[in-house]
Amino acid sequence: GAGVSQSPSNKVTEKGKDVELRCDPISGHTALYWYRQRLGQGLEFLIYFQGNSAPDKSGLPSDRFSAERTGESVSTLTIQRTQQEDSAVYLCASSFHAGTNADTQYFGPGTRLTVL
Amino acid sequence: AQSVTQLGSHVSVSEGALVLLRCNYSSSVPPYLFWYVQYPNQGLQLLLKYTSAATLVKGINGFEAEFKKSETSFHLTKPSAHMSDAAEYFCAVTSSGNTPLVFGKGTRLSVIA
Repeated sequence: GAGVSQSPSNKVTEKGKDVELRCDPISGHTALYWYRQRLGQGLEFLIYFQGNSAPDKSGLPSDRFSAERTGESVSTLTIQRTQQEDSAVYLCASSFHAGTNADTQYFGPGTRLTVL
Repeated sequence: AQSVTQLGSHVSVSEGALVLLRCNYSSSVPPYLFWYVQYPNQGLQLLLKYTSAATLVKGINGFEAEFKKSETSFHLTKPSAHMSDAAEYFCAVTSSGNTPLVFGKGTRLSVIA
């Protein structure tokens, strides 16, 4: 079946511009996560959506970052007034919350963002 | 707060040799632990996960990991390395079933012919 998809795969932008990154989760997955992977670093959690609950935004590094999710479908991560330190691979993951044990998060291929 | 430490940012082994990638975690509650693998220019793929059942967890591609509470460790092993195992490996921890993962910084595995 189809996995998590992300678009674009690569994005090059100029400092100060806004960018939008898109994530299509696996159909039926109620939870959606955004992570950031900077060069030589592990993954940093950004934001988490679970069903109709208010999103967990505790990982967003600044108010330039925001994300939306339409129901249990597509999510968009927006970075306003991009800075060079925003350059990273942005990874999206989704999972089905079965209510017990740890749900497996399935990751998309990521969007590589380069801010010049 | 939870954290993960992966000892060794780069590990190099000969083809056919034992693979050992180290992961230590910190958690104030019983943890759920994961190993993911990332091949170049690809997303993360789950290798295995520990969810408080058996302490020895078997995963894909011949990998396994053992949860040792007394040592707060979850090291990843494979008896015989293959060239196709060359990749970046990430250990991660979470506290409950459906919450964000806390990742280590990763270990790059190189396999020498």
